Amino acid sequence: NAGVTQTPKFQVLKTGQSMTLQCAQDMNHNSMYWYRQDPGMGLRLIYYSASEGTTDKGEVPNGYNVSRLNKREFSLRLESAAPSQTSVYFCASREPGSREKLFFGSGTQLSVL
Amino acid sequence: TQLLEQSPQFLSIQEGENLTVYCNSSSVFSSLQWYRQEPGEGPVLLVTVVTGGEVKKLKRLTFQFGDARKDSSLHITAAQPGDTGLYLCAGLYSGNTPLVFGKGTRLSVIA
Repeated sequence: NAGVTQTPKFQVLKTGQSMTLQCAQDMNHNSMYWYRQDPGMGLRLIYYSASEGTTDKGEVPNGYNVSRLNKREFSLRLESAAPSQTSVYFCASREPGSREKLFFGSGTQLSVL
Repeated sequence: TQLLEQSPQFLSIQEGENLTVYCNSSSVFSSLQWYRQEPGEGPVLLVTVVTGGEVKKLKRLTFQFGDARKDSSLHITAAQPGDTGLYLCAGLYSGNTPLVFGKGTRLSVIA
């Protein structure tokens, strides 16, 4: 029972570098989400994908791109990392038939120097 | 941006005490959820409330949805160190919009 798997767990980047955060779920969920969590800010939605082949912007999409590669995988790309993108990133998927129940990965802690 | 206000932001109590955490909005929710998050992990769903006035219990945790569906509370009876964590409320507004999360309440229960 892997659930939602995120890689890497930790990453340090220099300003201007690029990287892709990977997320995969094995629960056959249609909807997937990327959030960032900053101290005192709660979880803020970056992008989401309601189904394979569709993506939509969330509350804080600037500086990010996403790809819904297939039903299982939803990746988040930082093209030119900035210190303001230092955060903990969470991927989540939603249980079919439920508009509410999210399953989260264990997060990626990203530092941009 | 639709806001979900959680209070208090931080709470430190002794084992055995009771506590209540609040989640408020000026807008009506179609449903509301409470999640608990431990360090180094993602949030885990505790409960979903849907009906105004609804009360749900999960062992020592009692969740209440306001009659007008604009607010919710989480009450913990006889808190234990294992209750320590970040408690997040998340609301679903009308329409096909994603969940909106509050900023969370960080609870520390001291033995």
